[in-house]
Amino acid sequence: EAQVTQNPRYLITVTGKKLTVTCSQNMNHEYMSWYRQDPGLGLRQIYYSMNVEVTDKGDVPEGYKVSRKEKRNFPLILESPSPNQTSLYFCASSFGRAYQPQHFGDGTRLSIL
Amino acid sequence: QKEVEQNSGPLSVPEGAIASLNCTYSDRGSQSFFWYRQYSGKSPELIMSIYSNGDKEDGRFTAQLNKASQYVSLLIRDSQPSDSATYLCAVLAYSGAGSYQLTFGKGTKLSVIP
Repeated sequence: EAQVTQNPRYLITVTGKKLTVTCSQNMNHEYMSWYRQDPGLGLRQIYYSMNVEVTDKGDVPEGYKVSRKEKRNFPLILESPSPNQTSLYFCASSFGRAYQPQHFGDGTRLSIL
Repeated sequence: QKEVEQNSGPLSVPEGAIASLNCTYSDRGSQSFFWYRQYSGKSPELIMSIYSNGDKEDGRFTAQLNKASQYVSLLIRDSQPSDSATYLCAVLAYSGAGSYQLTFGKGTKLSVIP
């Protein structure tokens, strides 16, 4: 079954404690991306990756890092989380057409206290 | 700043009617246009994409694009209660230095009344 898997699904943590949200896809897709969704602001792109070792900033990259060492994995790293990064995060992947997320993960709800 | 505007709704239509969802965008050079459906508490799912002026039909869904008016719409024929969801419009535009930017609207909440 084609899947984008995010972990964890829910996380409550404290300011400044480094955390990583993992994202893995089993469809051999080149393009992967991260979004955050906030009430009243909609879905905003954080980072995207066109392929292994190729990443670029989206609309709201500040405070986030990503890496793409393998095609299937695209982790999102918050080195020093702050309360304004409390949000619902989605990872997505696509094949063929870049910049067009086709498959989304189930989301990670992150609360930074 | 590229903007994508949608009426937040809620848009209520009776079952069996046509639901019309609208989206306008600010960047005249925008190239690709997408509609995503998001059920409450779920992730978005891609339902339609359109790249050139005119209509594109897929089952009960029709996407309409008018680049001159910077307007894209989604029509849902024979609306069903299962169509009740938030619909997100997304627009892809060149942002310079070989990069593109995909901008989402805030979404329109559709409620189909049985």
